[in-house]
Amino acid sequence: DAKTTQPPSMDCAEGRAANLPCNHSTISGNEYVYWYRQIHSQGPQYIIHGLKNNETNEMASLIITEDRKSSTLILPHATLRDTAVYYCIVRGGSQGNLIFGKGTKLSVKP
Amino acid sequence: DGGITQSPKYLFRKEGQNVTLSCEQNLNHDAMYWYRQDPGQGLRLIYYSQIVNDFQKGDIAEGYSVSREKKESFPLTVTSAQKNPTAFYLCASSIDRGRGNIQYFGAGTRLSVL
Repeated sequence: DAKTTQPPSMDCAEGRAANLPCNHSTISGNEYVYWYRQIHSQGPQYIIHGLKNNETNEMASLIITEDRKSSTLILPHATLRDTAVYYCIVRGGSQGNLIFGKGTKLSVKP
Repeated sequence: DGGITQSPKYLFRKEGQNVTLSCEQNLNHDAMYWYRQDPGQGLRLIYYSQIVNDFQKGDIAEGYSVSREKKESFPLTVTSAQKNPTAFYLCASSIDRGRGNIQYFGAGTRLSVL
């Protein structure tokens, strides 16, 4: 089972910030939080990941709470092309594979 | 361009037929993975390989086989034993640089049964 909990869907107005929450209350001390997104009928795309510090790259920002039990992915200026399913993943499994849940379907509206 | 190439994009299988999905990467990544995605669902791991000539079963390996003879290639065969093969198949590769393990995905192969 996935080790994360995300809302099934969210809406965001174009040009506004999209804030996608994720709960991962059972995360272990050495596990990273990864965010991927999947646009319809395409392969998942890596967005960002972090361990305990906040992270920022050209796509997004990742805010991780001090107790590491939750995090928020921030898309600062959402566009229509950001409409996708967003997956929050805590790297788990003995194989090192990514355990994907059902994610959050983000709809960016004009 | 560097990346992961999956082929074909669409594939059709007849009853009792084995089919092979290709996955090639030129990222010099050590690890490669095969996932299956059913409509409206997350990804499930079929097989993975950490190094050449070695691979392990994932959560849903029954009815599938793989090989890893070259670092760049990790083909997946869907055998006739897989009774429900219709799905979207995704290949990924990764390298661990000591700060997490980022997986990069191909564009996928959509397999249907005739």
